[in-house]
Formats: sequence, structure tokens, C-alpha cells
Amino acid sequence: AQSVTQLDSQVPVFEEAPVELRCNYSSSVSVYLFWYVQYPNQGLQLLLKYLSGSTLVKGINGFEAEFNKSQTSFHLRKPSVHISDTAEYFCAVRAPWGNSGGSNYKLTFGKGTLLTVNP
Amino acid sequence: GAVVSQHPSRVICKSGTSVKIECRSLDFQATTMFWYRQFPKQSLMLMATSNEGSKATYEQGVEKDKFLINHASLTLSTLTVTSAHPEDSSFYICSAKRTHRSYNEQFFGPGTRLTVL
Repeated sequence: AQSVTQLDSQVPVFEEAPVELRCNYSSSVSVYLFWYVQYPNQGLQLLLKYLSGSTLVKGINGFEAEFNKSQTSFHLRKPSVHISDTAEYFCAVRAPWGNSGGSNYKLTFGKGTLLTVNP
Repeated sequence: GAVVSQHPSRVICKSGTSVKIECRSLDFQATTMFWYRQFPKQSLMLMATSNEGSKATYEQGVEKDKFLINHASLTLSTLTVTSAHPEDSSFYICSAKRTHRSYNEQFFGPGTRLTVL
């Protein structure tokens, strides 16, 4: 089984400031890692994912994340945020489908971090 | 590509009625679809995994008779909330799994806001 911890429930920042949203995970098997964004009353949109290879992953809207296996972290960063980045951000993990049985293949979400960008 | 739609986007019903929510993969076939529930300011909780042509697999604590799932085709899964009560009010999100080369990816629908009066 896996678990995901998003250390900050809310992160307020000013426009054009850098931001880091923290995510730590635990798993007994190798996992894929994801960041999703949810705007109010909408579904989830994939920002980026780590499957394998380079530990620095670039996503949409200028976001990037770095996978750190030793620290079991997958923090999301953006060097300069915009008002439009205000949303809920979810970190998620799952095992590769077909690689392991049971519940490991299911997406496990963190509790979310509300990013509020102020003018 | 890889669009998942849900209908309706918002529904208000009286207590005791049943509500059906549709989830469609518009441009790919999805042998597996997932149904999630999200309470205000909380994360998504998986309710069930729906496989085309077979019975859905429900997560622990989810009532099968309360939340009926039908995955009748490769592009459509439905969730019926039977005899809805105010505590069933929530945001329901579906997701469809698309197989792309060697990697399977989940795509999420826009969600359905259910309010039971």
C-alpha cells in the first residue's frame, strides 16, 4: 500500500514569487508519481508525471517537479506564479499497472494544497 | 485527445430519489473506469473500479447497493446513486484509463456536483 503526505494544506504567495508545494510518499513497491491541479468545481488536470529516467520533470504551465528517491519526495515548483495558478494541487502515486497486485495500482492522492496567488 | 466527459455537471434532487451520472471517454476506449468522491476541501476517495463487461470492484466501506455502477461499453460507465440522502451530497468524479503504447494513463472527467435536499 502507498500513502502520500502533502505537508502544507494552504500556501499563500504573491504574484511573480516562486513557490514550492511539498509532497512525500511511502510505498513498498516502485511507483509512478503525479501532480494534478483542480480549479474550483472542475475535475483534475495532469500537471506532470514521473515514470522513470531524469528526476527533474517539466510539466505544463511552467511547473516542474523533482523526484528524490532517498527522501521519498516529489516537490512541485514554479519560479514565478500568476494569479491564474490559484487552485488546489494534488500529489498522487500509484504502482505501474500489471506490475503488482492488490491495491498498489490504484491512484493514491494526498490531501491537497490550496495555492492562493495574491496580487 | 483523451477527453472524458460527465453528465450532468450539476444535479439537485429530493431525498429518496435516484440519480444517474454518466461518464464517457470521447476519443478512446476505456476498459477500466474509476469513480471517485470528493467532499469539500478534501481529497479524492476512490469508490469503485469499473471494468467493461464485468462487475465493478468496490472499495471497503462503499455500499454496492447504494452506488450502482454499470460499465456497459468501452466508452460509457454510469454511477447511479439510489435512494439518495443529504449525506450523499458530494462532488463525484470519474476517470478513464487509456492504454497508450507501454504506458496506461488515467484521464479525469470534469465532475458532477450532486446536491440532495
